[in-house]
Amino acid sequence: KAGVTQTPRYLIKTRGQQVTLSCSPISGHRSVSWYQQTPGQGLQFLFEYFSETQRNKGNFPGRFSGRQFSNSRSEMNVSTLELGDSALYLCASSWGDTQYFGPGTRLTVL
Amino acid sequence: QKEVEQDPGPLSVPEGAIVSLNCTYSNSAFQYFMWYRQYSRKGPELLMYTYSSGNKEDGRFTAQVDKSSKYISLFIRDSQPSDSATYLCAMSEGNAGNMLTFGGGTRLMVKP
Repeated sequence: KAGVTQTPRYLIKTRGQQVTLSCSPISGHRSVSWYQQTPGQGLQFLFEYFSETQRNKGNFPGRFSGRQFSNSRSEMNVSTLELGDSALYLCASSWGDTQYFGPGTRLTVL
Repeated sequence: QKEVEQDPGPLSVPEGAIVSLNCTYSNSAFQYFMWYRQYSRKGPELLMYTYSSGNKEDGRFTAQVDKSSKYISLFIRDSQPSDSATYLCAMSEGNAGNMLTFGGGTRLMVKP
């Protein structure tokens, strides 16, 4: 089976812009979770989608949003980018309680 | 205080050594425990997954969970230079939803 894929792999944006990241889960997995990884805060949970519904949400501002499509692919959006949003954004797809991570999208905000 | 604590290292060991990595946690509702390995500029790779207390072995890796002490460990036998990476512990409550809470990661360096 193909693993979790994320696009794009790298992004450079400027403050105030918005960005959309995409995640394709492992075939058959219906749950997709998003995490932010930074050197200072480590890996932090953003949100989880299951069957197109947000099932869990972490402690991030409303500028961070997501959605899931009927084919389980997911997107996350960050509006009004801030310098502190520079991070590796990781997507994980789940079967039961086991999560498998993609390679991440490295976002740099200038 | 963070919910999951992990010594950041770096931990430097010679090739062939037994490595012990540990995490402590404060949330007694955690039931599922995982160890991930992350190479530089890559996504985390699932190494071990255990439910509740006990031991689990897979090749050179052994995971231990002691829920009474809120302490989990990962042992790596016959460590190799290719094991050099950051090791992350992660936990979840196991109710509906898959929110993982991660430790900060321990950087391991295995020297030839």
